[in-house]
Amino acid sequence: DQQVKQNSPSLSVQEGRISILNCDYTNSMFDYFLWYKKYPAEGPTFLISISSIKDKNEDGRFTVFLNKSAKHLSLHIVPSQPGDSAVYFCAASGGSQGNLIFGKGTKLSVKP
Amino acid sequence: KAGVTQTPRYLIKTRGQQVTLSCSPISGHRSVSWYQQTPGQGLQFLFEYFSETQRNKGNFPGRFSGRQFSNSRSEMNVSTLELGDSALYLCASSLASIGQETQYFGPGTRLLVL
Repeated sequence: DQQVKQNSPSLSVQEGRISILNCDYTNSMFDYFLWYKKYPAEGPTFLISISSIKDKNEDGRFTVFLNKSAKHLSLHIVPSQPGDSAVYFCAASGGSQGNLIFGKGTKLSVKP
Repeated sequence: KAGVTQTPRYLIKTRGQQVTLSCSPISGHRSVSWYQQTPGQGLQFLFEYFSETQRNKGNFPGRFSGRQFSNSRSEMNVSTLELGDSALYLCASSLASIGQETQYFGPGTRLLVL
């Protein structure tokens, strides 16, 4: 039973356009959400997080939106750059889950 | 500030052997978590240590164990290796083990079991 789902295994975007990565969760006790970026054979790199008391958090080109009623969050990257090409993981924690629960990732390809 | 370091980076073992992986957290971080990443299962939580005590454990068999030392460094041990244990093992550290904490990951140890 997947508690965090990233339903799009891959996404292709043109350089300069917006990339939108989506994530759904089922556990209403989750109260902290994170996005990580991962290159092959490397560890995940923390990008941005959001607490459940907020609905938006911004850091440079990256913005995370949280819709608690829909149990949905999204990561917007504007403008997208070729260096953004990587696998993006959504993760959540909270309630009895002291650890992070990860989605299976979305592979983003940004084409020049 | 130095990041999370893991040693070794790559390891080849045969079935039935055991292996020990090491993780040094970011200075000042007291919580260390271990994750297994495989192509089919994604990132799965193994266990978490805080102040030398295991605080949380995932759904892995008892062949997977760990410990944490007084300097917060952590080791993970896998006994009686199976082919399915081939994976990228990731260590992550955070300041504390409870609450809205961001975990920072090391580069991982790639384990291949033949």
